[in-house]
Amino acid sequence: EAGVAQSPRYKIIEKRQSVAFWCNPISGHATLYWYQQILGQGPKLLIQFQNNGVVDDSQLPKDRFSAERLKGVDSTLKIQPAKLEDSAVYLCASSPPMYQETQYFGPGTRLLVL
Amino acid sequence: KNQVEQSPQSLIILEGKNCTLQCNYTVSPFSNLRWYKQDTGRGPVSLTIMTFSENTKSNGRYTATLDADTKQSSLHITASQLSDSASYICVVSGPGTYKYIFGTGTRLKVLA
Repeated sequence: EAGVAQSPRYKIIEKRQSVAFWCNPISGHATLYWYQQILGQGPKLLIQFQNNGVVDDSQLPKDRFSAERLKGVDSTLKIQPAKLEDSAVYLCASSPPMYQETQYFGPGTRLLVL
Repeated sequence: KNQVEQSPQSLIILEGKNCTLQCNYTVSPFSNLRWYKQDTGRGPVSLTIMTFSENTKSNGRYTATLDADTKQSSLHITASQLSDSASYICVVSGPGTYKYIFGTGTRLKVLA
């Protein structure tokens, strides 16, 4: 079974620039999550989708972050404009439709904002 | 406030030795607790999952215990190997919710 795919793996940008990350979840997984993991900390949930609807985006900085999940499959996370404090690893995870199911994480995208 | 705290923050042990990592949580009501292993540069991978009615769960050399009364869990690693070097993250969730509360993790380094 293929895992969660993410791209790019690494990205370096200057502050105030824009960046986008892509995630392809495991086939059949209705729930998709985006997490931000700052060095030395645990992942922090940014947004959660159930199919193509948003379940929770309470911790998403909506003035600069946006995310969409077209057709309930792939998802993109965008930052515009980026700030220095956005430097982190952005993890995508997916899980089967039933709640409380185990999340399967992708390898993450490491973002460095200069 | 729902929180998950882990200790120690980091740990160094020699190959072949055992170690125990701790997780204390204040999530209430509680539904289940997971331990994840996160290798450097990779996403977390699930090791064990326990519901409130389970006291222990094993996955090879990894054994997790849970005391729902004291809201404590531990992850015991037996006969450590170099490949055990990673961060171990405790994740707690409540019933009827998709929300997962992550701890900050314990960074384990196993030396030859």
